[in-house]
This record gives sequence, structure tokens and C-alpha cells, in this order.
Amino acid sequence: AQKVTQAQTEISVVEKEDVTLDCVYETRDTTYYLFWYKQPPSGELVFLIRRNSFDEQNEISGRYSWNFQKSTSSFNFTITASQVVDSAVYFCALAGSARQLTFGSGTQLTVLP
Amino acid sequence: ETGVTQTPRHLVMGMTNKKSLKCEQHLGHNAMYWYKQSAKKPLELMFVYSLEERVENNSVPSRFSPECPNSSHLFLHLHTLQPEDSALYLCASSQDRYEQYFGPGTRLTVT
Repeated sequence: AQKVTQAQTEISVVEKEDVTLDCVYETRDTTYYLFWYKQPPSGELVFLIRRNSFDEQNEISGRYSWNFQKSTSSFNFTITASQVVDSAVYFCALAGSARQLTFGSGTQLTVLP
Repeated sequence: ETGVTQTPRHLVMGMTNKKSLKCEQHLGHNAMYWYKQSAKKPLELMFVYSLEERVENNSVPSRFSPECPNSSHLFLHLHTLQPEDSALYLCASSQDRYEQYFGPGTRLTVT
């Protein structure tokens, strides 16, 4: 069975602060994929990133960065210099060998001006 | 049109009505999905179609009936729904069941 835990239900920061969203996962598969999605108020989930279990290299894309650590089964997401437009619900997800996505419960991020 | 589109965006229906949700993907993907998103609950996978064949049905009540006539279109037929079925219904597509791309969703209210 797969499980994704996003312990932070809601986070509120002031614009320009850095913020890290935590994601912890459980799986018995040796090959798996981790994802982050953003869901703005409009409702559409926007794909942000996919990481493979055999590639632990961290990734940076503009103000976004992801830290994948197999030793702690974590895949955390950091937004640097947050902006109001970053306000959304962020979901971490896991797909194992069956390639069925299991989503976490999401973290509501509010960036205040 | 680009990406994944869904119609209608909003739907209000009575418990005795029959309606259908439509999803269309313009990405050339070979798998399509229906999800249900209720308030305060994680996303729930309902159905998966791969190469137009249903490969997953996660114990969804029979009042929800999916149809995938081709790799670009996916429908969700609704009949005799319950108020607890009110939710955001999201369609997604993927290639070879890797990352999924989602549509904007249909906000369904059952009265």
C-alpha cells in the first residue's frame, strides 16, 4: 500500500518569505515516482515536477526547489521569495509500479501581501 | 483548445436527474482518469482508462458510469445521485500513465 502524508494543513507567510512544504511518503515499491501539483482557486491541478526514485538529485526551477531524500522518505518543496500568486493548495503525490497516483491531503499556502 | 478541457464547469442536478460530464484531451495521451475531490478529503481516483479500456474501478457506486469512446474523450454519466456526491470532478490524462495533466474540473451540486 502507498501513503503520502502532508502534515501541514495550512501555512501562511508574508510575501518575499521563503516557505517549505513537507511531504513524507511510504511505498514498498523499489521504483516509484514522486510529484508535486499546484491547485489555485480556479480548481485545475497544475503539474509542477516529477522525480524518479533512482534520481536523488535536487532540482531548482526559478523560485521553486525540491529536496528528495530517500533515507527519510521525504520530498519537500521550497518556494523562495514567495509571491501572492503562489497562494494555492499544493499536493504531493506518489506513483508506484502500478503507476496509480496516491495524493496527499494537500497544504493550503496563503501568501499575504 | 489545448490541454484538458471539461464541460460543463458547473452543474446543479436533482437526485432523479440524469446528466453527463465530458472531458477531452488535446495532448495525444493514451490514458484518461476521473477523480472526485470533496471538501476536506484527499483526491479520490474513480476510474482509469488506458488505451480506451477501463483498467481501474475503485469501488465506485454504479450511479457513476464512465465511457471512453476514443483516446481523446471521456464521459462520466450520472444518474440518481445523492447529496454526498456533490464535489469537484476532475479529469486527467497521461502518456503511459506517467505524470497526469488535469482539466479545470466540473463543480457538481446535487440537490
